[in-house]
Amino acid sequence: AQSVTQPDIHITVSEGASLELRCNYSYGATPYLFWYVQSPGQGLQLLLKYFSGDTLVQGIKGFEAEFKRSQSSFNLRKPSVHWSDAAEYFCAVGKRDDKIIFGKGTRLHILP
Amino acid sequence: DARVTQTPRHKVTEMGQEVTMRCQPILGHNTVFWYRQTMMQGLELLAYFRNRAPLDDSGMPKDRFSAEMPDATLATLKIQPSEPRDSAVYFCASGPWVQGAFPYEQYFGPGTRLTVT
Repeated sequence: AQSVTQPDIHITVSEGASLELRCNYSYGATPYLFWYVQSPGQGLQLLLKYFSGDTLVQGIKGFEAEFKRSQSSFNLRKPSVHWSDAAEYFCAVGKRDDKIIFGKGTRLHILP
Repeated sequence: DARVTQTPRHKVTEMGQEVTMRCQPILGHNTVFWYRQTMMQGLELLAYFRNRAPLDDSGMPKDRFSAEMPDATLATLKIQPSEPRDSAVYFCASGPWVQGAFPYEQYFGPGTRLTVT
């Protein structure tokens, strides 16, 4: 069965510092991968998605993610975080004609 | 700017009462999901519909929860009777889907925060 693991429940970074959020998946075929963000009191919003092709995917708000098949990972990165990036981030995996499975989420805290 | 709408945004009710949550998916989206989010369990998929037909409701407690799509513009989630452990934020999401296509992205509503006392 497919599954998603986000090993970090909380991450704290200083404003202006770089960010990497980890995501590992378990899936027997080509996964379709997503990152969503949830700001406080809001629903989830899609940041980026990977279906095929270039393994480095650009998303909204300056985020990018890299698919590494050998490591079963799809880590989210941002070169310089802003205070407004404080939120919860969810990695998700899906397959053709099926639902998406979400990870437990990583809460990002930003220090001024 | 098309959005998923959910009503009510907040609901406080007493144990044993019926609760109905409503969702209006984005026009043209043929797949609708219901999720529940709690601190302990995170985001759980309760049920989802495709072209108004239920495809998977394995995440839903069957004895008290029910989900329906009376028409393409309305999805409902009912809890009867409600219990304190049902307190959570319930999200509806919608998305487009075509046979054989990649999994679609989902557009989430703002959620209904349910408190059962």
